[in-house]
Amino acid sequence: RKEVEQDPGPFNVPEGATVAFNCTYSNSASQSFFWYRQDCRKEPKLLMSVYSSGNEDGRFTAQLNRASQYISLLIRDSKLSDSATYLCVVKDNYGQNFVFGPGTRLSVLP
Amino acid sequence: DGGITQSPKYLFRKEGQNVTLSCEQNLNHDAMYWYRQDPGQGLRLIYYSQIVNDFQKGDIAEGYSVSREKKESFPLTVTSAQKNPTAFYLCASSIAGGEPQHFGDGTRLSIL
Repeated sequence: RKEVEQDPGPFNVPEGATVAFNCTYSNSASQSFFWYRQDCRKEPKLLMSVYSSGNEDGRFTAQLNRASQYISLLIRDSKLSDSATYLCVVKDNYGQNFVFGPGTRLSVLP
Repeated sequence: DGGITQSPKYLFRKEGQNVTLSCEQNLNHDAMYWYRQDPGQGLRLIYYSQIVNDFQKGDIAEGYSVSREKKESFPLTVTSAQKNPTAFYLCASSIAGGEPQHFGDGTRLSIL
């Protein structure tokens, strides 16, 4: 089983749609969780950290379920500029390493 | 501005040649990392360093070498032993604890 798994995608959605991405992780010792976005041929950029209580940043909402070892990202009112690959990242504070999921590609269509 | 600088942006390697990719950060981060990304694939960890003069192998260290003589710098050498070096190489850094990584804008390496 891979350490971090994500919805395989791609997701093709119309502008204005709500889309949700799922991520599961296998290491129960994981302590920190992040969502990054990566545009084609560019470096990953931090979208948001994921906190135990869930957190929201504008149109983006992240949720964490430690019991199920599951993270989600919800994007409301999708914009064309949201088209990118979304990477789920998990950090084990013992190893100090970041483990990246394979990413889910989103295309928002006009 | 604080950040991570990778150079060069594009690099071409001849058969049998070693090449070195530069990564410098002025964020005062202790930890630095090198990743490789192949087209349509996720990031794979090559090497990482938590402190000066110390580094550990990641998942795909064969054919690569690194050094960490200064906190700010973590160069990656792609040796001739790496038979399939064509990829997008990303350097990242972070502080300790639960903080996220920050990435440089990458180096694209191709074989001539």
